[in-house]
Amino acid sequence: ETGVTQTPRHLVMGMTNKKSLKCEQHLGHNAMYWYKQSAKKPLELMFVYNFKEQTENNSVPSRFSPECPNSSHLFLHLHTLQPEDSALYLCASSPIVGTGNTEAFFGQGTRLTVV
Amino acid sequence: DQQVKQNSPSLSVQEGRISILNCDYTNSMFDYFLWYKKYPAEGPTFLISISSIKDKNEDGRFTVFLNKSAKHLSLHIVPSQPGDSAVYFCAARPYNTNAGKSTFGDGTTLTVKP
Repeated sequence: ETGVTQTPRHLVMGMTNKKSLKCEQHLGHNAMYWYKQSAKKPLELMFVYNFKEQTENNSVPSRFSPECPNSSHLFLHLHTLQPEDSALYLCASSPIVGTGNTEAFFGQGTRLTVV
Repeated sequence: DQQVKQNSPSLSVQEGRISILNCDYTNSMFDYFLWYKKYPAEGPTFLISISSIKDKNEDGRFTVFLNKSAKHLSLHIVPSQPGDSAVYFCAARPYNTNAGKSTFGDGTTLTVKP
């Protein structure tokens, strides 16, 4: 396994379901992120974790609940979603700030459809 | 208010010609700029970056130009190849912030025709 891996790649869930998205990075990074990409909209940063601690929540509804048990794993727990939450959810990781010119490394994303 | 804008949703060029993708930003705090490339069913991958102390950065066929006074940057691909067909995202952030906290544009879909 290399880079950033997300599972599942596709998910269809009903509005009353509970599901979780998983992200794992093998890059030794200490920062992890969840992004949402809706159709015809830019990537929206949802959550930021530095050294397992959540440092940013960009006004994300509570039906999205992140969890970061360690620096290599990140979860997004989903509960009672709405159809408008259907989107591509991307996980990313990066070195922590202060390490110079850096970029984020993205997973392949989970295509979520809420029915 | 969208702080990073890519005003061209799509661009089509002939193989071998130059592709020019444009990006404008409004936040004066941004001083590090990146381009990401995204193929269908894949996540974005880093392509090239530039800091505000430079006005040009080149990496093989890819060159990014930065015009700070105009708050504008562009990505030049020369020569364009069919494998370059993808969605290109412009991103920007203050240099001393997490690499994943960039603000992204909407993306430009580049199609390179053989």
